[in-house]
Order: sequence, then C-alpha cells, then structure tokens
Amino acid sequence: DAGVTQSPTHLIKTRGQQVTLRCSPKSGHDTVSWYQQALGQGPQFIFQYYEEEERQRGNFPDRFSGHQFPNYSSELNVNALLLGDSALYLCASSIDGANYGYTFGSGTRLTVV
Amino acid sequence: GQQVMQIPQYQHVQEGEDFTTYCNSSTTLSNIQWYKQRPGGHPVFLIQLVKSGEVKKQKRLTFQFGEAKKNSSLHITATQTTDVGTYFCSGGTSYGKLTFGQGTILTVHP
Repeated sequence: DAGVTQSPTHLIKTRGQQVTLRCSPKSGHDTVSWYQQALGQGPQFIFQYYEEEERQRGNFPDRFSGHQFPNYSSELNVNALLLGDSALYLCASSIDGANYGYTFGSGTRLTVV
Repeated sequence: GQQVMQIPQYQHVQEGEDFTTYCNSSTTLSNIQWYKQRPGGHPVFLIQLVKSGEVKKQKRLTFQFGEAKKNSSLHITATQTTDVGTYFCSGGTSYGKLTFGQGTILTVHP
C-alpha cells in the first residue's frame, strides 16, 4: 500500500481530447506534486500544489493544469492531448517543510492514440 | 536549468557482487534523495542526504553526498536478486522540487 491513491490506473485517450487524473495524498500530507515519467526515463516535475495554490512549475506547457482541494487531494488536467503525452503520471505527496522524501502513488498509465 | 546525470545507465552483476551508481548535478543541491523503482512499479523513497560529505548506511546500502553538494553515490554490497530495479537520484531545491536523473537499471543474475 503506497499510501497515495491515484485514479484511474490506466487510460486510453484520442489525440485532441482532454483528461483528468486524480490523486489522494497520504494521510497527514499537505503537499502534492505531479510528475510525468516516459518509458525508460526518470520522472519529470510538472508542478507542485500547497495550500490549494500552484507553488512551483516545471517546464510543461499550459495545456497541463492542476488543482488542489481543501482536503489536499489533487487533480491533473491535460488539454489537447498529443501522442507525446503518453506516459506514466505519478503523484507524490509530502508534508511541507518536512526533511524527508516523497511518497509516490502507483501512477496512471496514459496512452494517447 | 538544473540537470542531474547518472552513470552507468545499465549494470548487470552476479548475485553477491557489489554495485555502485553515481549521480552528478550541474548545480549545487540543497539535498539529494534516492529512490528505487521496481519493474512496473513506482519510485520508493530510500534516503535523503542534506549535509556536505554526509554518509548514510542502510544495511547493505551506503549513500554518500559530495563535499561540494553536487554529486552523490549509492553503493550496494553483496547484491541480492531483490535489489533488482532502477535506482534514481534526485536533486532537491527550494520548496521540494525534485530533478531526477535518468536512473541506473540494475540486473542481478542468480
């Protein structure tokens, strides 16, 4: 049990469509980060949410957006899907300011056809 | 922007042999974290190093953080088949943004 819950586990979408991925952080965690992991690569930072605000953003286009809810859960939205968006999307949670690592969820495998 | 490089990309060892992966950052890091990802799995946190020259051990695993806080290494003594997976280092910056290396894929032959 990873402690971080992501849904759905797998998703197939068509180019140009929109997708929403969901994440429930580990109990007690208040910070949620999203990562994109292409096959054979390390995770790439998309953005981080804390106190319902986007606190930091990686090098991803505006097609990628997110939201954090008062219960700390989070959504990742991707508009106008491209084939290159096919990847494993990982959610990671932590406690803000805590000096230890992130807890990752099992991810959502997105395939764009 | 910050870049984190890891070598080697692949490492094949016989069970019982030692294994080392190296991580180098283009910038000074506030901390470095190591993660292990099993095939088909998700990254699992192993350890965080914060201090210059820091060395930490977890059973057969030894982690080092360089004096300049720009490089790190993970050494596994006497590998076991359960050590199979991809080992990632990640450089931490303010507010916890992690920049991951491309990982080292470890294969252990029994």
